[in-house]
Amino acid sequence: DGGITQSPKYLFRKEGQNVTLSCEQNLNHDAMYWYRQDPGQGLRLIYYSQIVNDFQKGDIAEGYSVSREKKESFPLTVTSAQKNPTAFYLCASSPRGARGNTEAFFGQGTRLTVV
Amino acid sequence: SQQGEEDPQALSIQEGENATMNCSYKTSINNLQWYRQNSGRGLVHLILIRSNEREKHSGRLRVTLDTSKKSSSLLITASRAADTASYFCATDERGSTLGRLYFGRGTQLTVWP
Repeated sequence: DGGITQSPKYLFRKEGQNVTLSCEQNLNHDAMYWYRQDPGQGLRLIYYSQIVNDFQKGDIAEGYSVSREKKESFPLTVTSAQKNPTAFYLCASSPRGARGNTEAFFGQGTRLTVV
Repeated sequence: SQQGEEDPQALSIQEGENATMNCSYKTSINNLQWYRQNSGRGLVHLILIRSNEREKHSGRLRVTLDTSKKSSSLLITASRAADTASYFCATDERGSTLGRLYFGRGTQLTVWP
């Protein structure tokens, strides 16, 4: 089945640690996105990538880093510089970055908790 | 910011009733989309309406778009308990090729049996 897979589903991080969230898609989509969701805040864009080896900062990129070495994969690292990382993280992909069909397909999310 | 805003924030109805949610946005768009999110899960795409369309149907869903007012509405007819979820509108930016979407804060719909 085609889809987008995030892992792990739940992740616990100690203060000062970096953690990496995985996102893999087999939909052959060019564009991939990372969003953060907090209660009552909706979705906020962290980083996005239109093509392999290229990515852009979203609205809340501070304290996060990404890579896009393969079309299928877009991992997100939450660094120790992110002061309030506890949140629900959603990865998405879309068929292309050009205007027109920008329907996004989402993974099931990773819930990160700082302990 | 282009971020859309849904209204109301929460809506509670009985099964069989219709549910209407509204979305307003700020700048010109290529299209507007509606997504659904069950608690603790990812978002699922429901329907996309282009800026040159005024109304679109999909099953029990009806979406309208008024670009002059920069607003959209999502109507769910004959609602069911299984429709209980959060609903988000998402817009892009007219002329942009970046493909990024701007999401509102969502409407939490509760349908009571």
